[in-house]
Amino acid sequence: SQTIHQWPATLVQPVGSPLSLECTVEGTSNPNLYWYRQAAGRGLQLLFYSVGIGQISSEVPQNLSASRPQDRQFILSSKKLLLSDSGFYLCAWSGGGSRAYEQYFGPGTRLTVT
Amino acid sequence: GQNIDQPTEMTATEGAIVQINCTYQTSGFNGLFWYQQHAGEAPTFLSYNVLDGLEEKGRFSSFLSRSKGYSYLLLKELQMKDSASYLCAVRSNDYKLSFGAGTTVTVRA
Repeated sequence: SQTIHQWPATLVQPVGSPLSLECTVEGTSNPNLYWYRQAAGRGLQLLFYSVGIGQISSEVPQNLSASRPQDRQFILSSKKLLLSDSGFYLCAWSGGGSRAYEQYFGPGTRLTVT
Repeated sequence: GQNIDQPTEMTATEGAIVQINCTYQTSGFNGLFWYQQHAGEAPTFLSYNVLDGLEEKGRFSSFLSRSKGYSYLLLKELQMKDSASYLCAVRSNDYKLSFGAGTTVTVRA
């Protein structure tokens, strides 16, 4: 069966510090991968998605970036965090290509920027 | 662009039925999803509709009308553990999901 891991689970970072969140998927190959952010009491905002190694699509221009160095690894980064970057960050995967039906979410990382 | 609307909150009694409506206006449509999200946790997949009609999965059912841009999630025989946020999401033709803000359902004894 497929599993998706995210770490860390929680993170408190000062404004201006860098960020690196990691997501890995097991039990599937060539998945579509996604990064979402959920602000308190709000819906999920798609940040990035990837349909293959090195292929990243950005949905919202901001100080965040994403990379996919391996087939089942997706990394979210920032060089300098802003207060507005606080939120619940969720990684998700779906089957690739025409089988891209439902998305399955990882446990999430709760980021607080102080 | 995508515009997905659902009520903010709903309250119901244990054992009752609750219907959560979702209306959408999207550029491209390739399916509608419902997710359940308990407080502090990740969303979990509930249902998927791509054709008009009703899909039933146990106590949960989901309905879709593409011509009306409308869906609902029906929760029957409510249990306390059903207290959660329910997210409506629409998949555009390139497989991205756009989510509504979610409906918080509170089940009371």
